[in-house]
Amino acid sequence: DTGVSQDPRHKITKRGQNVTFRCDPISEHNRLYWYRQTLGQGPEFLTYFQNEAQLEKSRLLSDRFSAERPKGSFSTLEIQRTEQGDSAMYLCASSLAPGPVYEQYFGPGTRLTVT
Amino acid sequence: AQSVTQLDSHVSVSEGTPVLLRCNYSSSYSPSLFWYVQHPNKGLQLLLKYTSAATLVKGINGFEAEFKKSETSFHLTKPSAHMSDAAEYFCVVSEADSNSGYALNFGKGTSLLVTP
Repeated sequence: DTGVSQDPRHKITKRGQNVTFRCDPISEHNRLYWYRQTLGQGPEFLTYFQNEAQLEKSRLLSDRFSAERPKGSFSTLEIQRTEQGDSAMYLCASSLAPGPVYEQYFGPGTRLTVT
Repeated sequence: AQSVTQLDSHVSVSEGTPVLLRCNYSSSYSPSLFWYVQHPNKGLQLLLKYTSAATLVKGINGFEAEFKKSETSFHLTKPSAHMSDAAEYFCVVSEADSNSGYALNFGKGTSLLVTP
């Protein structure tokens, strides 16, 4: 079990640029989640995938955000025309479903700084 | 709607004394409740989970939490704090609603400081 990995760990970009983050979940996990965590706050849900299907998106996920999981394995999160308010830690988590209760395993996160 | 409220944003204890981190929840369905810990520059780690079985849940590193439905609480405790327990702790709720995909709803966190 290699755990959830995310790449890059840190990203500094200028306002208006596009950025893309990658998440590799635990290999047998069929659900994948993206969260955003701003300073001093708990993570907030953005979106999740069951296999390759994106089944839910939070209202926090504006039109500038897009997420994909093309083969039901790794996922990418792209932010277009970044704004300073996008500066945050972006967390990926994965889990195995179905089941009445289960926990999500989190990656180390990608810290985005928009200057 | 589901949410959690962590009643203290900061808690300070002396090493060797008990720890109490308070959490109240609000949920329309049968909730699943978790406590996660986040050490500086490290990923979120699950401490323990409530699975609608035993109301007293034991987790890692000596932590426990008790689910009290009548009080809608899920407080985290540890009999004796260790310096390595200093971290950010998050109370988390998830509802058994397939439409939500079991998305986790995090509280704002409690920062635990342990002094020598």
